[in-house]
Amino acid sequence: DQQVKQNSPSLSVQEGRISILNCDYTNSMFDYFLWYKKYPAEGPTFLISISSIKDKNEDGRFTVFLNKSAKHLSLHIVPSQPGDSAVYFCAATSSGTYKYIFGTGTRLKVLA
Amino acid sequence: EAQVTQNPRYLITVTGKKLTVTCSQNMNHEYMSWYRQDPGLGLRQIYYSMNVEVTDKGDVPEGYKVSRKEKRNFPLILESPSPNQTSLYFCASRQGHNQPQHFGDGTRLSIL
Repeated sequence: DQQVKQNSPSLSVQEGRISILNCDYTNSMFDYFLWYKKYPAEGPTFLISISSIKDKNEDGRFTVFLNKSAKHLSLHIVPSQPGDSAVYFCAATSSGTYKYIFGTGTRLKVLA
Repeated sequence: EAQVTQNPRYLITVTGKKLTVTCSQNMNHEYMSWYRQDPGLGLRQIYYSMNVEVTDKGDVPEGYKVSRKEKRNFPLILESPSPNQTSLYFCASRQGHNQPQHFGDGTRLSIL
Protein backbone atom coordinates (compact mmCIF):
# COMPACT_ATOMS: atom_id res chain seq x y z
CA ASP A 1 0.00 0.00 0.00
CA GLN A 2 1.52 3.26 -1.16
CA GLN A 3 1.17 5.69 1.74
CA VAL A 4 2.64 8.60 -0.22
CA LYS A 5 1.52 9.07 -3.80
CA GLN A 6 2.65 11.31 -6.60
CA ASN A 7 0.11 10.68 -9.32
CA SER A 8 1.80 12.69 -12.06
CA PRO A 9 4.91 10.91 -13.36
CA SER A 10 5.89 13.93 -15.43
CA LEU A 11 5.19 17.62 -15.90
CA SER A 12 6.34 20.13 -18.52
CA VAL A 13 6.27 23.87 -17.84
CA GLN A 14 7.44 26.91 -19.77
CA GLU A 15 10.32 28.88 -18.30
CA GLY A 16 9.08 31.73 -16.10
CA ARG A 17 5.72 30.10 -15.37
CA ILE A 18 4.64 28.37 -12.20
CA SER A 19 5.33 24.66 -11.62
CA ILE A 20 2.96 22.86 -9.27
CA LEU A 21 3.87 19.39 -8.08
CA ASN A 22 1.36 17.41 -6.06
CA CYS A 23 1.57 14.73 -3.42
CA ASP A 24 -1.14 12.83 -1.53
CA TYR A 25 -0.77 10.75 1.61
CA THR A 26 -2.98 8.33 3.46
CA ASN A 27 -1.46 8.09 6.94
CA SER A 28 -2.93 10.72 9.28
CA MET A 29 -0.02 10.16 11.71
CA PHE A 30 2.46 11.83 9.33
CA ASP A 31 3.53 15.13 10.85
CA TYR A 32 6.57 16.19 8.82
CA PHE A 33 6.80 16.43 5.07
CA LEU A 34 9.72 17.09 2.77
CA TRP A 35 10.47 17.68 -0.89
CA TYR A 36 13.67 16.49 -2.53
CA LYS A 37 15.10 17.22 -5.94
CA LYS A 38 17.13 14.65 -7.85
CA TYR A 39 19.37 15.15 -10.86
CA PRO A 40 20.63 12.16 -12.90
CA ALA A 41 23.65 10.37 -11.41
CA GLU A 42 23.27 12.25 -8.12
CA GLY A 43 21.53 11.54 -4.83
CA PRO A 44 18.35 13.37 -3.83
CA THR A 45 18.97 16.78 -2.28
CA PHE A 46 16.70 18.36 0.28
CA LEU A 47 14.62 21.25 -1.00
CA ILE A 48 12.04 22.32 1.55
CA SER A 49 10.00 20.87 4.40
CA ILE A 50 6.86 21.59 6.37
CA SER A 51 5.60 20.57 9.77
CA SER A 52 1.98 19.58 10.23
CA ILE A 53 1.43 22.55 12.52
CA LYS A 54 1.83 24.84 9.51
CA ASP A 55 -0.02 25.07 6.23
CA LYS A 56 2.62 26.93 4.25
CA ASN A 57 6.38 27.25 4.14
CA GLU A 58 8.31 29.43 1.75
CA ASP A 59 11.96 29.50 0.72
CA GLY A 60 12.79 31.79 -2.17
CA ARG A 61 11.12 30.51 -5.32
CA PHE A 62 9.85 27.39 -3.55
CA THR A 63 6.67 27.19 -1.48
CA VAL A 64 5.14 24.09 0.03
CA PHE A 65 1.46 24.01 0.95
CA LEU A 66 -0.09 21.46 3.28
CA ASN A 67 -3.81 20.67 3.40
CA LYS A 68 -4.21 18.26 6.31
CA SER A 69 -7.92 17.69 5.86
CA ALA A 70 -7.34 16.59 2.26
CA LYS A 71 -4.06 14.83 3.11
CA HIS A 72 -2.45 16.72 0.28
CA LEU A 73 0.68 18.76 -0.16
CA SER A 74 1.99 20.66 -3.11
CA LEU A 75 5.23 22.30 -4.15
CA HIS A 76 5.07 25.55 -6.09
CA ILE A 77 8.09 26.82 -8.00
CA VAL A 78 7.81 30.41 -9.18
CA PRO A 79 9.27 31.37 -11.58
CA SER A 80 10.38 28.06 -13.05
CA GLN A 81 13.88 27.91 -14.52
CA PRO A 82 15.51 25.35 -16.84
CA GLY A 83 17.83 24.34 -13.98
CA ASP A 84 14.77 23.18 -12.05
CA SER A 85 14.39 20.29 -14.49
CA ALA A 86 14.79 17.22 -12.30
CA VAL A 87 12.83 14.48 -10.56
CA TYR A 88 11.03 15.67 -7.44
CA PHE A 89 10.17 13.35 -4.57
CA CYS A 90 7.87 14.10 -1.68
CA ALA A 91 8.42 12.28 1.59
CA ALA A 92 6.61 11.98 4.90
CA THR A 93 7.36 10.79 8.38
CA SER A 94 5.85 10.80 11.84
CA SER A 95 7.55 11.60 15.13
CA GLY A 96 6.86 8.14 16.47
CA THR A 97 8.83 6.30 13.79
CA TYR A 98 12.22 6.39 12.16
CA LYS A 99 10.85 5.78 8.69
CA TYR A 100 10.63 8.26 5.88
CA ILE A 101 8.13 7.19 3.20
CA PHE A 102 8.80 8.49 -0.29
CA GLY A 103 6.53 9.00 -3.24
CA THR A 104 7.37 7.65 -6.67
CA GLY A 105 8.58 10.97 -8.00
CA THR A 106 7.52 13.51 -10.65
CA ARG A 107 9.86 14.41 -13.50
CA LEU A 108 9.71 18.15 -14.11
CA LYS A 109 10.89 19.58 -17.41
CA VAL A 110 11.17 23.34 -17.69
CA LEU A 111 11.23 24.43 -21.30
CA ALA A 112 13.35 27.41 -22.30
CA GLU B 1 32.47 19.54 3.23
CA ALA B 2 29.48 17.72 4.73
CA GLN B 3 28.86 14.59 2.76
CA VAL B 4 27.68 11.00 2.56
CA THR B 5 30.08 8.83 0.57
CA GLN B 6 29.12 5.53 -1.01
CA ASN B 7 31.39 3.00 -2.69
CA PRO B 8 31.41 1.60 -5.25
CA ARG B 9 29.34 3.84 -7.54
CA TYR B 10 28.81 1.05 -10.04
CA LEU B 11 29.11 -2.72 -9.75
CA ILE B 12 28.26 -5.59 -12.06
CA THR B 13 28.47 -8.98 -10.43
CA VAL B 14 27.00 -12.47 -10.55
CA THR B 15 24.33 -14.24 -8.55
CA GLY B 16 25.53 -15.58 -5.21
CA LYS B 17 28.78 -13.64 -4.93
CA LYS B 18 28.75 -11.76 -1.63
CA LEU B 19 29.20 -8.02 -1.88
CA THR B 20 29.35 -5.01 0.42
CA VAL B 21 28.44 -1.42 -0.38
CA THR B 22 30.10 0.98 2.01
CA CYS B 23 28.59 4.21 3.32
CA SER B 24 30.31 6.84 5.40
CA GLN B 25 29.14 10.23 6.68
CA ASN B 26 31.21 13.03 8.19
CA MET B 27 28.42 14.98 9.91
CA ASN B 28 28.29 13.00 13.17
CA HIS B 29 24.67 12.10 12.41
CA GLU B 30 22.82 9.67 14.64
CA TYR B 31 20.50 8.22 12.03
CA MET B 32 21.48 6.40 8.84
CA SER B 33 19.39 4.55 6.27
CA TRP B 34 19.65 2.54 3.09
CA TYR B 35 17.15 2.90 0.24
CA ARG B 36 16.70 1.31 -3.13
CA GLN B 37 15.18 3.14 -6.08
CA ASP B 38 13.31 1.20 -8.75
CA PRO B 39 11.29 2.51 -11.70
CA GLY B 40 7.71 3.29 -10.70
CA LEU B 41 8.37 2.47 -7.05
CA GLY B 42 10.28 5.49 -5.81
CA LEU B 43 12.65 5.18 -2.89
CA ARG B 44 12.01 2.30 -0.53
CA GLN B 45 13.77 1.94 2.80
CA ILE B 46 15.79 -1.25 3.29
CA TYR B 47 17.28 -0.80 6.76
CA TYR B 48 17.88 2.04 9.14
CA SER B 49 20.01 2.68 12.20
CA MET B 50 19.27 4.97 15.12
CA ASN B 51 22.75 4.76 16.63
CA VAL B 52 25.78 2.52 16.97
CA GLU B 53 24.76 -1.14 17.26
CA VAL B 54 21.05 -0.23 16.85
CA THR B 55 19.48 -1.20 13.52
CA ASP B 56 16.03 -2.14 12.31
CA LYS B 57 14.28 -3.32 9.18
CA GLY B 58 12.68 -0.97 6.73
CA ASP B 59 10.07 -1.89 4.15
CA VAL B 60 12.17 -4.20 1.93
CA PRO B 61 14.86 -5.86 4.09
CA GLU B 62 14.82 -9.35 2.56
CA GLY B 63 18.21 -10.40 1.18
CA TYR B 64 20.13 -7.58 2.90
CA LYS B 65 22.15 -7.16 6.09
CA VAL B 66 23.61 -4.09 7.72
CA SER B 67 25.89 -3.26 10.61
CA ARG B 68 26.65 -0.10 12.57
CA LYS B 69 29.85 -0.63 14.52
CA GLU B 70 30.92 3.00 14.24
CA LYS B 71 28.78 6.11 14.07
CA ARG B 72 30.10 7.24 10.71
CA ASN B 73 29.83 3.93 8.79
CA PHE B 74 26.78 1.93 7.75
CA PRO B 75 27.65 -0.80 5.21
CA LEU B 76 25.02 -2.70 3.24
CA ILE B 77 25.76 -6.39 2.77
CA LEU B 78 24.27 -8.71 0.17
CA GLU B 79 25.25 -12.20 1.32
CA SER B 80 23.92 -13.99 -1.75
CA PRO B 81 22.85 -11.43 -4.36
CA SER B 82 20.09 -12.29 -6.80
CA PRO B 83 18.95 -10.57 -10.02
CA ASN B 84 15.93 -8.98 -8.27
CA GLN B 85 18.40 -6.93 -6.22
CA THR B 86 19.54 -5.14 -9.35
CA SER B 87 18.75 -1.56 -8.45
CA LEU B 88 20.03 1.90 -7.59
CA TYR B 89 20.94 2.16 -3.92
CA PHE B 90 21.21 5.25 -1.75
CA CYS B 91 22.62 5.74 1.71
CA ALA B 92 21.34 8.65 3.79
CA SER B 93 21.99 10.22 7.17
CA ARG B 94 20.25 12.78 9.35
CA GLN B 95 20.73 14.36 12.74
CA GLY B 96 17.45 13.57 14.41
CA HIS B 97 13.71 13.20 14.20
CA ASN B 98 11.98 15.41 11.68
CA GLN B 99 15.22 16.48 10.08
CA PRO B 100 16.08 16.37 6.38
CA GLN B 101 18.23 13.51 5.20
CA HIS B 102 21.50 13.90 3.36
CA PHE B 103 21.96 11.37 0.57
CA GLY B 104 24.99 9.84 -1.07
CA ASP B 105 25.30 9.88 -4.84
CA GLY B 106 24.09 6.32 -5.23
CA THR B 107 25.42 2.88 -6.14
CA ARG B 108 24.11 1.17 -9.24
CA LEU B 109 24.19 -2.61 -8.75
CA SER B 110 23.63 -5.10 -11.56
CA ILE B 111 23.32 -8.74 -10.53
CA LEU B 112 23.57 -11.13 -13.47
